[in-house]
Amino acid sequence: QVQLVQSGAEVKKPGASVKVSCKVSGYILIELSMHWVRQAPGKGLEWMGGFDPEDGETIYAQKFQGRVTMTEDKSTDTAYMELSSLRSEDTAVYYCATDPDYWGQGTLVTVSS
Amino acid sequence: DIQMTQSPSSLSASVGDRVTITCQASQDISNSLNWYKQKPGKVPKLLIYDASNLEIGVPPRFSGSGSGTNFTFTISSLQPEDIATYYCLQYDNLPRTFGQGTKLEIK
Repeated sequence: QVQLVQSGAEVKKPGASVKVSCKVSGYILIELSMHWVRQAPGKGLEWMGGFDPEDGETIYAQKFQGRVTMTEDKSTDTAYMELSSLRSEDTAVYYCATDPDYWGQGTLVTVSS
Repeated sequence: DIQMTQSPSSLSASVGDRVTITCQASQDISNSLNWYKQKPGKVPKLLIYDASNLEIGVPPRFSGSGSGTNFTFTISSLQPEDIATYYCLQYDNLPRTFGQGTKLEIK
């Protein structure tokens, strides 16, 4: 059974960075295309970026370009999403999600001074 | 980027009603569309993939149709456990884009 287990909740100050991890079990990470989605409190789902298997690159939503980095450690089947220059509007639950469709449990990131 | 326009944003219906939600894409996405259900504080759950295919284990009262730019999601007979927010997602092109969501309530 495929499971995606994310790291725990984080509280960060404005201007800081956060790195969220997503550990895959029951599958090999290289056989999945990993994406990251976030959801601000009371708001809808927002796609942040993900792996494009057609060209082997990670594509970021324009809104996050320059602030987000998505990486993978194939030796541990763990994906990472790092978001920098945090502001209060980045307070959200961050999800990893794959093709085929599996989701992590979500990681709450709170940005507050 | 492809824009997904989902409507309505909220919907109130009675148990047993037929419920329809639509998503319109700003350009042709073929049948590259998923429908998700999300309850508060929970992970989104895939209901329909490739616009019209029912995910394993999802009750047959849920269905999807459409291709190109216009898509429809239907609950044939609304049940109390269907109260949730529903989202469409296009995956024809990166960046992927979600619809704005439809919050479904019981009348």
